[in-house]
Amino acid sequence: SQQGEEDPQALSIQEGENATMNCSYKTSINNLQWYRQNSGRGLVHLILIRSNEREKHSGRLRVTLDTSKKSSSLLITASRAADTASYFCATDAALQGAQKLVFGQGTRLTINP
Amino acid sequence: EPEVTQTPSHQVTQMGQEVILRCVPISNHLYFYWYRQILGQKVEFLVSFYNNEISEKSEIFDDQFSVERPDGSNFTLKIRSTKLEDSAMYFCASSVGNTGELFFGEGSRLTVL
Repeated sequence: SQQGEEDPQALSIQEGENATMNCSYKTSINNLQWYRQNSGRGLVHLILIRSNEREKHSGRLRVTLDTSKKSSSLLITASRAADTASYFCATDAALQGAQKLVFGQGTRLTINP
Repeated sequence: EPEVTQTPSHQVTQMGQEVILRCVPISNHLYFYWYRQILGQKVEFLVSFYNNEISEKSEIFDDQFSVERPDGSNFTLKIRSTKLEDSAMYFCASSVGNTGELFFGEGSRLTVL
């Protein structure tokens, strides 16, 4: 698989349930970021976790990073219909200069009311 | 809240024509990027720009592509002679520093006929 692969590709849950999405990558990274994209819209940054961090929280979001397994997970708790979107992980492995994000294929999340 | 703006939102062009996509990054940001997303596929890095020069470019960013910051606010992507496979959503992004959150615009959809 390529850098930044998410699974599952699609996830459908009931409102109020928790949603967990996973991301795997191949190379060493500086940081890993999660972005959200509503259909036909731009990407919105959700959270960034640095390579020396293991867990990070932001509101209803919880991100973990396991650099030994080269994987990350995004947990959305108490999901809402408005959380319906595609979620992408993106890794930054630039050695110098501007960051160069490598995106995964994304998880398409559907929250059913 | 400051945002990245892109124009046009949608452009239809004939194969072989030149196209210029425009972006206004957030005013105090120093790093600028172009990414593209072919329908149903991953978001792909094209180029990063810092201090009035290209910082890094991908294999996609061949001689048909160029970027410019013609004044203090605009950041443009030019495709000299469009091909059918250039049809995609093109996203401009900017960041304060060389790590951290990228702020994306809503994208310019390019359709090459």
